[in-house]
Amino acid sequence: QSALTQPASVSGSPGQSITISCTGTSSDVGSHDLVSWYQQHPGKPPKLMIYEVAKRPSGVSDRFSGSKSGNTASLTISGLQPEDEADYYCCSYALSNILIFGGGTKVTVL
Amino acid sequence: QVQLQESGPGLVKPAETLSLTCTVSGVSISTYYWSWIRQPPGKGLEWIGYVYYSGSTNYNPSLKSRVSMSVDTSKNQFSLHLTSVTTADTAVYYCARERTLDYFDYWGQGTQVTVSS
Repeated sequence: QSALTQPASVSGSPGQSITISCTGTSSDVGSHDLVSWYQQHPGKPPKLMIYEVAKRPSGVSDRFSGSKSGNTASLTISGLQPEDEADYYCCSYALSNILIFGGGTKVTVL
Repeated sequence: QVQLQESGPGLVKPAETLSLTCTVSGVSISTYYWSWIRQPPGKGLEWIGYVYYSGSTNYNPSLKSRVSMSVDTSKNQFSLHLTSVTTADTAVYYCARERTLDYFDYWGQGTQVTVSS
């Protein structure tokens, strides 16, 4: 099972909105609404930001939102802030009964 | 407050077995599924597998032949064993609570394991 495809990097200015894509296949991203997103700052463990495509855990800013169309899921960060600078990973259930991650996207706040 | 903490050797020799333990506090391990995820230096995340308190397991096919996981409910701990390690197994290893084949809502801080002679 191959890793999900994410852009290596995305950047934006403070206050702008950015979107990170996560492309898979009909056997993973497209098969169920079981996509999650994680934020990871250097030297820290990942933090759950979005689960089941578009649900936000308690305590996560509503500037973070998720969506999915076909085999591609997306994470949008609105009103970009300096503390949003981090690596972001998507994760999806796959029909082979496993979880697979994307390669990660480095978000830079200009 | 759910907390997880990994422990184990930071250095393992090639061909030997990597063994890690995750101690869970704030919730009984006899609920939910518990996972291991690893991250090689400068690279992305890889799901290793999960274990349920009953002993039921599910492993990543890419590691299945070398992985085993177990639970000790009396200590509220679960463990990872990875046999015949190579330098490719050098990574930060995280334990996490998994919502079965869905998402990970609590993570340990991670422990660096280096495979080297």
